[in-house]
Amino acid sequence: KAGVTQTPRYLIKTRGQQVTLSCSPISGHRSVSWYQQTPGQGLQFLFEYFSETQRNKGNFPGRFSGRQFSNSRSEMNVSTLELGDSALYLCASSDLTGPNTEAFFGQGTRLTVV
Amino acid sequence: AQSVAQPEDQVNVAEGNPLTVKCTYSVSGNPYLFWYVQYPNRGLQFLLKYITGDNLVKGSYGFEAEFNKSQTSFHLKKPSALVSDSALYFCAVRKGGSYIPTFGRGTSLIVHP
Repeated sequence: KAGVTQTPRYLIKTRGQQVTLSCSPISGHRSVSWYQQTPGQGLQFLFEYFSETQRNKGNFPGRFSGRQFSNSRSEMNVSTLELGDSALYLCASSDLTGPNTEAFFGQGTRLTVV
Repeated sequence: AQSVAQPEDQVNVAEGNPLTVKCTYSVSGNPYLFWYVQYPNRGLQFLLKYITGDNLVKGSYGFEAEFNKSQTSFHLKKPSALVSDSALYFCAVRKGGSYIPTFGRGTSLIVHP
């Protein structure tokens, strides 16, 4: 099976712009989660989608949004970018067939806001 | 609520020596525990998990972890460290019924030649 694919790998944006990141989960996985990773804050949960519905949400402002399509692919959007949004954004997918299922991560999108 | 603590930001060990990366957790009910490794500019890779059963769990790349319920710990271990083991290690906990794991802040493992 192909792994979790995130595009693009690297992105440079200017303050005030918006950005869209994409994630293709492992085939058959219906749960997709997004995380923000920064050196100071570690790994912070953004949101989780399951069958096109946002099921869980972390403590991030409304500028951060996402969606999931019928093929389980997910996108994350950040509007009005701030310098502090610079981070590695990680997507993880899981089949969640049971309580013991682990998440599989993509390689991430490195976002730099200048 | 669920939480994870990795008390060491960095662990240094000489190649060939045993290594331990510490993790303690707090969760109501039975925990599901995971270890992940992250190499520079890469995503997290799954190493091993504890669900139930034997307290000693064996995983990828020769790593193992010991679940200790009384001490609420899940320390990652390896008998003989390699320079290539140098990376960032994350412990995570999830309780039954929760779909979202909580991650620790990560421990940087540095293995010296």
